[in-house]
Amino acid sequence: AQTVTQSQPEMSVQEAETVTLSCTYDTSESDYYLFWYKQPPSRQMILVIRQEAYKQQNATENRFSVNFQKAAKSFSLKISDSQLGDAAMYFCAYPNTGTASKLTFGTGTRLQVTL
Amino acid sequence: ETGVTQSPTHLIKTRGQQVTLRCSSQSGHNTVSWYQQALGQGPQFIFQYYREEENGRGNFPPRFSGLQFPNYSSELNVNALELDDSALYLCASSRTQRDTQYFGPGTRLTVL
Repeated sequence: AQTVTQSQPEMSVQEAETVTLSCTYDTSESDYYLFWYKQPPSRQMILVIRQEAYKQQNATENRFSVNFQKAAKSFSLKISDSQLGDAAMYFCAYPNTGTASKLTFGTGTRLQVTL
Repeated sequence: ETGVTQSPTHLIKTRGQQVTLRCSSQSGHNTVSWYQQALGQGPQFIFQYYREEENGRGNFPPRFSGLQFPNYSSELNVNALELDDSALYLCASSRTQRDTQYFGPGTRLTVL
């Protein structure tokens, strides 16, 4: 069974600092995508960043970047210059590669941003 | 471009009742997936619809059913509601079955 593990239930970062959220996954596939989604108190799941496994280059989106280690099956999210609006639950997700792209989510990491 | 929308925002039902939740997919998207998110947990996949046909199902009983319409909007129906069905129900649409999924704001269902 495919699993996604987020070992940090909660993290805290000061405004303007950098924080890294961890995620590991288990798959036997060689070609796949990985996602980080953000869920603020408003509840809407918002796509933060996507990584394609066949690309060696780590994905970046403005202040968000990933450290993708395919052999280790690790997919961490780095948030630079943290802002108060970054406070949310962050979920790592992996889609199966069957006919239906079912996303398997981790248990989430709650990020607090302090002044 | 309009994003994914869901209705209603909140819903309160009693055990044994039936409920219908609705989702409008993003323009240009032909695939809709439904997820159940219990409090404090990550979303769990219920099923996916692609071009009006169910295209994969998670570990949910048959009383969870759905539809997709020609305009690619979708409904999730839950019969014989149980207390454990209380959750946030999320709809996501994608350009194809395996493309990136974009989520709606969710429907909070409370079963009393």
